[in-house]
Amino acid sequence: SQQGEEDPQALSIQEGENATMNCSYKTSINNLQWYRQNSGRGLVHLILIRSNEREKHSGRLRVTLDTSKKSSSLLITASRAADTASYFCATDPTGGGNKLTFGTGTQLKVEL
Amino acid sequence: GAVVSQHPSWVICKSGTSVKIECRSLDFQATTMFWYRQFPKQSLMLMATSNEGSKATYEQGVEKDKFLINHASLTLSTLTVTSAHPEDSSFYICSARRKYGYTFGSGTRLTVV
Repeated sequence: SQQGEEDPQALSIQEGENATMNCSYKTSINNLQWYRQNSGRGLVHLILIRSNEREKHSGRLRVTLDTSKKSSSLLITASRAADTASYFCATDPTGGGNKLTFGTGTQLKVEL
Repeated sequence: GAVVSQHPSWVICKSGTSVKIECRSLDFQATTMFWYRQFPKQSLMLMATSNEGSKATYEQGVEKDKFLINHASLTLSTLTVTSAHPEDSSFYICSARRKYGYTFGSGTRLTVV
């Protein structure tokens, strides 16, 4: 079942600006992951944050997790046109048999 | 890094025919694979969990007789869409769970005409 919701659904920014995407979920989790999907392609794993972590960085990516609010955010700094893609959060629910549940996704467009 | 090879990347078939999609883990053993379906501009919906050597576990609402899953080896899982209809047209993606995360195939675009 679909449990995550992301906002905004779509985001259009200029190159060089920062992009922030938010994800909310409903159940307890082991971890939360962010993925990127270019149009019509498979998913690329970006970053995983465990339930006992609050913030994680990877290159231009910064992810936060607030388990009390059941929410996470993905920040892409100094965006590039090549960052144009759909971004999904996915949760690994506690006792969920390792089945990832994906959010609704944010379509990011970075314009030159 | 871990790679899951998914074939074909796209397929067009006639209504009523069956289509098989393969996912292979190239450099690791995948005891569990997941099959997802994605409609345009929507998220991934889990269809079933495939376990090597045992029957697949299907999510509620997914017809097991229509979407046949076979995980005969530690490196290969297949999804067969039987008697395909236009409403089965979608993007199908497999995923394999590894020790520290998940690796996704590149997806298969199925169009049933």
